[in-house]
Amino acid sequence: AQKITQTQPGMFVQEKEAVTLDCTYDTSDPSYGLFWYKQPSSGEMIFLIYQGSYDQQNATEGRYSLNFQKARKSANLVISASQLGDSAMYFCAGGGYQKVTFGIGTKLQVIP
Amino acid sequence: KAGVTQTPRYLIKTRGQQVTLSCSPISGHRSVSWYQQTPGQGLQFLFEYFSETQRNKGNFPGRFSGRQFSNSRSEMNVSTLELGDSALYLCASSLSAVTGELFFGEGSRLTVL
Repeated sequence: AQKITQTQPGMFVQEKEAVTLDCTYDTSDPSYGLFWYKQPSSGEMIFLIYQGSYDQQNATEGRYSLNFQKARKSANLVISASQLGDSAMYFCAGGGYQKVTFGIGTKLQVIP
Repeated sequence: KAGVTQTPRYLIKTRGQQVTLSCSPISGHRSVSWYQQTPGQGLQFLFEYFSETQRNKGNFPGRFSGRQFSNSRSEMNVSTLELGDSALYLCASSLSAVTGELFFGEGSRLTVL
């Protein structure tokens, strides 16, 4: 079974500042992946970044990086140099085999 | 390369009716998953299909069913609709036979009156 916990219902960040969105996971699968998705008000889910459980280095994709701490079972998303277009819901997700479980999301608002 | 296409985008039904939603995955993707998204429950996994076989199922009543065709297109059906079935239904396709990056469609927003 996989459980994803996001404890920040909402976050504010100043434009051009960095922000960290928290995510912890709990799984019994020996091999799993962790994902972050962005959902703007339009509703579409946009893939941001992926971290495999056996990956030694933290994943990075442009302004997005995943701070993966396996011992703490955390997979926090770091967005650097926030932009107004980053305002959206952000979902952490985890997958073992054939099934991906999502957290309840964090609403990020970027302030000009 | 075309993305995941879901139809219809919006629909309104009344209690007791049934509804069928369609999803066309990205060409070459054989795994299709369905999720229900509501403000109170977030995204909840419904089921996942690969090569016409349901491989995994979430905790939803039997009123929720699905299938996948030989061309990987998938449909989900909800019978005897209830008010609580009002939600955004998201379909996602994946290239990998094991869990991989999910590519989502824009969703079908169902309102049950």
